[in-house]
Amino acid sequence: ETGVTQTPRHLVMGMTNKKSLKCEQHLGHNAMYWYKQSAKKPLELMFVYNFKEQTENNSVPSRFSPECPNSSHLFLHLHTLQPEDSALYLCASSFQRDTEAFFGQGTRLTVV
Amino acid sequence: GIQVEQSPPDLILQEGANSTLRCNFSDSVNNLQWFHQNPWGQLINLFYIPSGTKQNGRLSATTVATERYSLLYISSSQTTDSGVYFCAVVASGGYQKVTFGTGTKLQVIP
Repeated sequence: ETGVTQTPRHLVMGMTNKKSLKCEQHLGHNAMYWYKQSAKKPLELMFVYNFKEQTENNSVPSRFSPECPNSSHLFLHLHTLQPEDSALYLCASSFQRDTEAFFGQGTRLTVV
Repeated sequence: GIQVEQSPPDLILQEGANSTLRCNFSDSVNNLQWFHQNPWGQLINLFYIPSGTKQNGRLSATTVATERYSLLYISSSQTTDSGVYFCAVVASGGYQKVTFGTGTKLQVIP
């Protein structure tokens, strides 16, 4: 148990569906991150939130929409995804931006 | 941006053997972490080690920041050590994002 919890663990969705991934941390951290891990590719940083403010968006398509209502919760809203968006989505948190990070278990997403 | 290379890309060990994994980076760093990704996908923190040496049980790590590399040592390997090992760095100098290496896939066989 790392203190970072992601739900759901697995998700299958159609290209016309709307779904959301949830991340919650109980570590008192101020920064939260979404990463994407596709097969045979390095982890890709998608979004960074620092004190609830988005500080980085690495050219992520608008069909991925993050939300950070408070420092403990991070969501990734998904709509009209493509099959190539199938991947493992990992959430992480750290006390300050880009200090020691702790990861959740990940959500394995399949788009059909 | 900073380049992070890990070697070897793949490694097969007999249970009980020792191994050394390497992470080279192309610029000076403020932060460096080693992770183990288990078969279920979770990234587990092993070490936060921007410089120096740390040990935790059968694992130890050394970062020589001036020479831009870090080593992860696994002694008396067990089948549960199987998975992918990543190093991740944050380059020095202003705002820099976390950059992950491509990983070393380790398989420990009985």
